[in-house]
This record gives sequence, structure tokens and C-alpha cells, in this order.
Amino acid sequence: QQPVQSPQAVILREGEDAVINCSSSKALYSVHWYRQKHGEAPVFLMILLKGGEQKGHEKISASFNEKKQQSSLYLTASQLSYSGTYFCGTGEYTDKLIFGTGTRLQVFP
Amino acid sequence: DTGVSQNPRHKITKRGQNVTFRCDPISEHNRLYWYRQTLGQGPEFLTYFQNEAQLEKSRLLSDRFSAERPKGSFSTLEIQRTEQGDSAMYLCASSPPISSPLHFGNGTRLTVT
Repeated sequence: QQPVQSPQAVILREGEDAVINCSSSKALYSVHWYRQKHGEAPVFLMILLKGGEQKGHEKISASFNEKKQQSSLYLTASQLSYSGTYFCGTGEYTDKLIFGTGTRLQVFP
Repeated sequence: DTGVSQNPRHKITKRGQNVTFRCDPISEHNRLYWYRQTLGQGPEFLTYFQNEAQLEKSRLLSDRFSAERPKGSFSTLEIQRTEQGDSAMYLCASSPPISSPLHFGNGTRLTVT
């Protein structure tokens, strides 16, 4: 089952904050976050693991609610370069990732 | 780290023809994944390997799709008797073991006419 992301789209001015959510109906072991710009490959942002371990870029923050099987990605003080489509990828007890429906983010000057 | 390499970048084929794509992962990565992506959608899981072993294949895939990873190095994805619905971007990704980031290649864009 594909995880559901919300919102589907976000429009921001530079410097504003945004939260992107990812929800699964399955018991999860891991949640990944990727950003994809038009015509490019997805780029890794963050991994959150059951038990609290996180790996990712310093300027990105995220949370993982293991009881609700939900994750949120927090984008603060947005920059123009943050524009793109954000995907969460969820893993159960294997390393197979199922990607979500996507959230399109546009940041304007 | 030269990144994940996919060839060809673009492939146009006629319906009913067979096509094969190649993926060269980052050399020290033992996991290799294939995904398919259509416009506006998230990557759809096709299959993945640990070394040369194919660990899982999507149940959504028909028998027209097959993938191999001989000797745990590069991988090929073959689509037999292509259909227009196969038109998509085919993405390959590799990763080290155990819950590590996926490194994606730039993909092969398939157009079936």
C-alpha cells in the first residue's frame, strides 16, 4: 500500500516554513525522504528508523511517530533551492521502499 | 564515487519490441533497486537485489518484465513485447546494506509508440 502524503502541493515565499506529512497503513521500520527536481533523479534527504535513529543532512529535520506510522518533514526558512517534489519512502521489515504520492513545493522570491 | 549510471538515457521503441536497460551501481553497494516512474507520480517499486540474488519482485509486474544482476555487479532490466503502458522513466538505485540511503541514477526514459 502506497503511503499517503499531505499536502499535495505547497507554495511558499522565501524564508517561510512548511511541514510535509507521510502516513502509512502498515507497521513501518523505516521512513526515507527524497527531493526530486523536474527532470532529475530523486536525491536523499533523511532516513528515520524505528527506535529513533536518524541519518540525514544537517539542515533537514523530520520526525517519525512509530505508533501512528506517520512521519513529518520540516522545512524551515525555505530557500529557492528547496523547490521540487518531495517523496517519502516507507520500509516495513525489508529494505524494499514504497514511495508516497508526492508533495510539490514551490518557493518564490 | 562515480554515481549510479544508467544506459541508454532515452529509448524509443515500437509496440511489441523487446528492450533492455542497463544499470551500473556504485561499486561498493550490494543493494540494487529498479523503479518505474510516470509523470506526476512517485517511483513505483519493480524489484531489488542483494548482490546477485533477486530478493523481491513486484506482484504488479507481468511476466514480460525480467531483471538480472550477474555476479552482483551491473544489472539489466528487460521488457518483452512492449506495450504503450510501459512508457515511463525507469530508475535504478543502489545502496549499502541495512537501511541506507538510495542513490538514484538519472534513469532511462522509455517511449513506446
